[in-house]
Amino acid sequence: DAGVTQSPTHLIKTRGQQVTLRCSPKSGHDTVSWYQQALGQGPQFIFQYYEEEERQRGNFPDRFSGHQFPNYSSELNVNALLLGDSALYLCASSLTGSHGYTFGSGTRLTVV
Amino acid sequence: GDSVTQMEGPVTLSEEAFLTINCTYTATGYPSLFWYVQYPGEGLQLLLKATKADDKGSNKGFEATYRKETTSFHLEKGSVQVSDSAVYFCALSDSETSYDKVIFGPGTSLSVIP
Repeated sequence: DAGVTQSPTHLIKTRGQQVTLRCSPKSGHDTVSWYQQALGQGPQFIFQYYEEEERQRGNFPDRFSGHQFPNYSSELNVNALLLGDSALYLCASSLTGSHGYTFGSGTRLTVV
Repeated sequence: GDSVTQMEGPVTLSEEAFLTINCTYTATGYPSLFWYVQYPGEGLQLLLKATKADDKGSNKGFEATYRKETTSFHLEKGSVQVSDSAVYFCALSDSETSYDKVIFGPGTSLSVIP
């Protein structure tokens, strides 16, 4: 049973560019959450998708947007990249009402 | 808002030593509590959880008890191994108020030396 898969694993972008990260949730899960983890810090909540809609959002600017597809997979888009957007982006899936996430291994984004 | 505080690291222990990582939380409701572990270069893995007061979560020799009166969820292990070297995150989720959003502490790095 595949867990949460994320692609790509690593990415290098130039300041001002746009990036799309992808996530396939664990089989049976219907909710996808995205987190940003800067080096040496805990993950920070970006947003959560359920039934193809953004259900909750953390304290991130509108440059961060997302989408969830009918098969529950999800994308995270970041526009106008800044150097400070360099981080590990983690996708986590869950079944609504359950307790706890299953995480993917993350996408390491470097903005230069 | 809800938050999690953990003891600062890094923590360095000798193999077979006793481990305690302190965690306290602030929440308006009755959250579920978690410990996640992150090995170098990897994502986070759920280590253990407790969903109500006085519950004890346990896994791989680690355990933590949900203490509502002290709003704490300290992680313990009786005898650590080199393979336990990782970053440990305490976390909470209040499904009644935030649809299972998980809030993480800053993490505590553990190094176990032979």
